[in-house]
Amino acid sequence: KQEVTQIPAALSVPEGENLVLNCSFTDSAIYNLQWFRQDPGKGLTSLLLIQSSQREQTSGRLNASLDKSSGRSTLYIAASQPGDSATYLCAVPFSNDYKLSFGAGTTVTVRA
Amino acid sequence: GAVVSQHPSWVICKSGTSVKIECRSLDFQATTMFWYRQFPKQSLMLMATSNEGSKATYEQGVEKDKFLINHASLTLSTLTVTSAHPEDSSFYICSARGPGGFRDEQFFGPGTRLTVL
Repeated sequence: KQEVTQIPAALSVPEGENLVLNCSFTDSAIYNLQWFRQDPGKGLTSLLLIQSSQREQTSGRLNASLDKSSGRSTLYIAASQPGDSATYLCAVPFSNDYKLSFGAGTTVTVRA
Repeated sequence: GAVVSQHPSWVICKSGTSVKIECRSLDFQATTMFWYRQFPKQSLMLMATSNEGSKATYEQGVEKDKFLINHASLTLSTLTVTSAHPEDSSFYICSARGPGGFRDEQFFGPGTRLTVL
């Protein structure tokens, strides 16, 4: 089964700084990798999905890279804002019916 | 598009009662839905996969008689926690595999907070 690790577990930065969140997975034979945002007590919001054939995906201030061979993905958030404060989760399918394995998440606090 | 809702958003019940949680895909048909459980400060753990018209498949360690899943239509899956106990208190989240060109993605509901007294 796929093991997903996220480092760091928590991150606190002043507003305006760029954020770098890391995700690693043990089995490089993945279909895709998805990044989510979760606010306290809420469900998950999909941020980006990277297909296995892609090396990166961008949406606004968010950019996610994927290096399958090394089993890593990085989520970059440019010019952070207090509204970016949340827990960010990465997830990888561990079966061909798209069951997801989640990392434990990185909790981000952006200080005004 | 690809919106998933859950009802109720929170529920408090007495120990020994059963609780039903609904998961609906609002603007698409979802042949496959998933149920997750999340404890405080922890990540999501997959409980079961719900396929329309067939029995759910449960992950190892999840009691199928405790957590009954029914996927009776292409837009609705239900999770019933039977004879709930305080240790069943948790945040339950469902997701649906996306339609058409979004089949590689999962779209998540807002979650249901269950508290068993």
